Amino acid sequence: LAKTTQPISMDSYEGQEVNITCSHNNIATNDYITWYQQFPSQGPRFIIQGYKTKVTNEVASLFIPADRKSSTLSLPRVSLSDTAVYYCLVGENAGNNRKLIWGLGTSLAVNP
Amino acid sequence: EAGVTQSPTHLIKTRGQQATLRCSPISGHTSVYWYQQALGLGLQFLLWYDEGEERNRGNFPPRFSGRQFPNYSSELNVNALELEDSALYLCASPRDRGIAGGMHEQFFGPGTRLTVL
Repeated sequence: LAKTTQPISMDSYEGQEVNITCSHNNIATNDYITWYQQFPSQGPRFIIQGYKTKVTNEVASLFIPADRKSSTLSLPRVSLSDTAVYYCLVGENAGNNRKLIWGLGTSLAVNP
Repeated sequence: EAGVTQSPTHLIKTRGQQATLRCSPISGHTSVYWYQQALGLGLQFLLWYDEGEERNRGNFPPRFSGRQFPNYSSELNVNALELEDSALYLCASPRDRGIAGGMHEQFFGPGTRLTVL
């Protein structure tokens, strides 16, 4: 089972770029890397997904080195509303979701 | 399009009772996933329903069960409630079949907060 390791918490300030790194040493060949954001008492929200190199969308970028044993979620110019828990997941085929391990995530606090 | 809906928002039960939680996926989507999230913890996969059948199950005892109806809405039943069943129960609906080999992008409902006293 692929397992991820993330920092428990991070602090930042409005307008800064935030990079959250996730380690996944046992990632399998077919595994993708997916990041979700969760606010208190709400369901997680999909942010971004990638397999290798770099992926960018309207809210974030995902950097994946060649060995794929880690990944970095980059949030440009964060605001107070980005205060949330961020989860890194690795796996494939959502039909076997019991293989997806949701860790504790990274609690990001954005300060004014 | 309407998102994933869940009811009730909050549910308070006592130990030994049964709880029934409901979920409606995104219109036209056939799959429903159920998760349990205890306070301060990550999500634990519970059940996956697709086309009316249970397709997969997480590491939970049999007193956690459910079903999916012909309109693809789903029900999660928890029998003989225990104090540690207190959690946020989340339902998710995948966007589509996803890219080959990749994980589905999932849309989550707001959750049902179950409190067992």
